[in-house]
Parts: sequence; structure tokens; C-alpha cells
Amino acid sequence: GQNIDQPTEMTATEGAIVQINCTYQTSGFNGLFWYQQHAGEAPTFLSYNVLDGLEEKGRFSSFLSRSKGYSYLLLKELQMKDSASYLCAVMDSNYQLIWGAGTKLIIKP
Amino acid sequence: IAGITQAPTSQILAAGRRMTLRCTQDMRHNAMYWYRQDLGLGLRLIHYSNTAGTTGKGEVPDGYSVSRANTDDFPLTLASAVPSQTSVYFCASSDRDGSTDTQYFGPGTRLTVL
Repeated sequence: GQNIDQPTEMTATEGAIVQINCTYQTSGFNGLFWYQQHAGEAPTFLSYNVLDGLEEKGRFSSFLSRSKGYSYLLLKELQMKDSASYLCAVMDSNYQLIWGAGTKLIIKP
Repeated sequence: IAGITQAPTSQILAAGRRMTLRCTQDMRHNAMYWYRQDLGLGLRLIHYSNTAGTTGKGEVPDGYSVSRANTDDFPLTLASAVPSQTSVYFCASSDRDGSTDTQYFGPGTRLTVL
């Protein structure tokens, strides 16, 4: 079957760096997405990786290793507003998104 | 309208009643999707439509139906609601011809079936 694994919850301190990992096993691969979801709100798009390596976008970076079925989202200079759930999703061979359950990130002052 | 809108925002429904959740997008995206989100689970695809006039079943289609009469609208109908359909429902859309096929989400409908 298809599976996306990510930690349920993480805690970090304001101003610090945090890395959220995602491992996947899917039937085919057509890209990996990261979304941010604040409590009670809709998911919003953060990043997309289809080739191996690091994609940097401001304070957020996303890394992909297709051979290892692994990705991470790196958040730098954490701010209180970064408290949210972070969702990892993989587009499979049918171009459907398979979603992880999300990682709830708690930022402490 | 900017992006995707959903209606209603929330609804409490008696079991056995029929309910239609509405979704409208103004981005001229060809593909649209319906997901449900339950605590501790990832988003699960209910139905999708790759283009107007076509629909397909996702991971959890039972008890739900959809139609796609035009590009903008993609309503989701619960023919006879059951308590297990209590969830938050998100509509999304994407440009299937785009380089990344990124999905963009509406604000969601919180549905409670009693």
C-alpha cells in the first residue's frame, strides 16, 4: 500500500531552526509537496520538489531524496506565527496526492 | 470571488438528510477535488474531476456523489447523511496543464451529522 510517515508533533523555540521529516512509499512518484495548515484553516501551499536536492524559499527550505523516499522541511528563524501543522503529500503514478497525517509544530517563546 | 469559495461554512445535519456542499473557483483550473479531513488522519480524497464533464472516485467515495457541469462549480452531495460523515470537507482545484499541478484549497465546510 501507499504510506506517508511524518512525526505527529514537534516543539521548537522562537528564533531557532526545526527540521520536519517525511518518508514515503508510493506507487510511482510525480513530486512531493509541503503545505502549512493553521488550526481551523485550509492548507496552503509551501513548496514542491520533483528532483533531488534542496529548494530554498525565504525562511523555508525543502529537501528531497527520491532514492531514499525521504524529504524534510526546514524552517529557520522560527516565529510564533509558524505554529501550525505541516502536511507532506506525494503525487503518485495516477497524479493523485497521497497525504501524511501532518506534523503539529508548537513554537515556544 | 478570489480563489475558491465553499458553502456553507458549517452545518449541523440530522442523520438521513440529504446535503449538498458547494464549491466554486474562479481560477479557471481544469481539475477539482473533494477531501475530508479527520483528526489524526491525512486528507482523504473523496471524488475528483480532471475536467468539466468528467468525474472519478477517490479513496473514500461511498455515500458521496459529485457532478461537474462547468469549469467553476463542483458540488458534493451526501444522499443520506450518517454520523461517520462528520468531518471537515475541503474543496481544492489545480491546473493540470501547469508545471507542478499544485492544489489550492477552499476554506472548508465543517459538517456534523447527528
